[in-house]
Amino acid sequence: GESVGLHLPTLSVQEGDNSIINCAYSNSASDYFIWYKQESGKGPQFIIDIRSNMDKRQGQRVTVLLNKTVKHLSLQIAATQPGDSAVYFCAENPETSGSRLTFGEGTQLTVNP
Amino acid sequence: DGGITQSPKYLFRKEGQNVTLSCEQNLNHDAMYWYRQDPGQGLRLIYYSQIVNDFQKGDIAEGYSVSREKKESFPLTVTSAQKNPTAFYLCASSVQDFGSPLHFGNGTRLTVT
Repeated sequence: GESVGLHLPTLSVQEGDNSIINCAYSNSASDYFIWYKQESGKGPQFIIDIRSNMDKRQGQRVTVLLNKTVKHLSLQIAATQPGDSAVYFCAENPETSGSRLTFGEGTQLTVNP
Repeated sequence: DGGITQSPKYLFRKEGQNVTLSCEQNLNHDAMYWYRQDPGQGLRLIYYSQIVNDFQKGDIAEGYSVSREKKESFPLTVTSAQKNPTAFYLCASSVQDFGSPLHFGNGTRLTVT
């Protein structure tokens, strides 16, 4: 079946740099996308979401970009801090699936001081 | 504070025993979900429930059972038929509608020996 996947399993950045985490999806029917942050031993925490009628959405220090032409989603974190170190998951939600989400495998972000 | 409570945080069982994981939410959400997470991997859907007294199998329901007798509660039983039960189990809830993020608990780590 179709699924969401990530380009890189790990990403290491210096504190203060910007981070970009990528996600490729294959279900062209997906209409809603979410990024989650998961710290070790905890449940995923909602970061930001975007609907398919948008190509960019900004939050506090985070920006999500959606390119429907190439089925690509990215999460940009500005001025990355040590507290940003975690696993980041993208998830997709086709409207035909109701409220069900399909998750990617995650990217481990490590921020070096 | 509204949220999702999973208990216990750590659970140990002997092989061949059934075990029930608790999940309670006070967010007044209609939909609840159980996901399984294995080390270094994404989340896989076990069961979900969109309304009280109704639930559906997810992608990996074999060896698991659930009940939804109350809106606030969605317990998961890991039966002895589950061949590889050791994992991190995450409960989530959401409003019923498409395009709503899931809110997660902090998980139960089950170890079966």
